[in-house]
Amino acid sequence: DQQVKQNSPSLSVQEGRISILNCDYTNSMFDYFLWYKKYPAEGPTFLISISSIKDKNEDGRFTVFLNKSAKHLSLHIVPSQPGDSAVYFCAGGGANNLFFGTGTRLTVIP
Amino acid sequence: AAGVIQSPRHLIKEKRETATLKCYPIPRHDTVYWYQQGPGQDPQFLISFYEKMQSDKGSIPDRFSAQQFSDYHSELNMSSLELGDSALYFCASSLGGVLPHEQYFGPGTRLTVT
Repeated sequence: DQQVKQNSPSLSVQEGRISILNCDYTNSMFDYFLWYKKYPAEGPTFLISISSIKDKNEDGRFTVFLNKSAKHLSLHIVPSQPGDSAVYFCAGGGANNLFFGTGTRLTVIP
Repeated sequence: AAGVIQSPRHLIKEKRETATLKCYPIPRHDTVYWYQQGPGQDPQFLISFYEKMQSDKGSIPDRFSAQQFSDYHSELNMSSLELGDSALYFCASSLGGVLPHEQYFGPGTRLTVT
C-alpha cells in the first residue's frame, strides 16, 4: 500500500521558469515531510523538509507547501536551473523511518 | 563535509550465499536507517537503529539481520540470498535527538544476486 504518491512520473520545465512537483499522502500520522533529489548511481540528497504543524518552508530557490486537509504537498523550484534535472522523491514519516513516493523525473530545458 | 559511507559499492553473489553490507554514518549521527530500492521502485524502509538499539522495523525479510555497533556504524547481514534480493541498498543517518527526520543518504550498495 503506497502511503506516499507522486502521480507525475516526469516533468519538463524551461530554464528560469517555476517547477512544481506534487505529492499526495494517505497517512495523517506523518510528523514530517521531506523532499529528496536523486541523480543516477547516487543516494538521495536531502533538499528540504517541513513539519506537519507548518504549511510552508522556504530555503533559497526551494519552497515546500503543505496542505494537511488535502493531504498534499508540493515543492516549488524558482527559478529552475539545468542542474536541477534529477529525480525528486517526496517522503513522509517520523523519527524512525520514511515512506517514499515513486519519484518525479524533472528535466529543466536550457 | 563528511557524508554517509557505504561499502562495498557493488557486490555480486550467487543464490543461497550470504552478504554483509556496511554503513558508516555522518560523524555525530546516532541513528542509522536501511532502505532497499528495487529497479524502478521507490526506496523501501527495512530497519533503523538509534543509539545501537533497533528503533523501527519495516519490510525486512527474516533472512536479513542488522545491528549498530558502539562506533555507530551498522551492518546489514543477508543470508540465503534470492534473485529478488538484487537491489540498491541505501543507508541513511540522522541526528536522532535533534533532527531525527533529516536523513542523509549514502551512495548505496548495488547487490546483484545471480
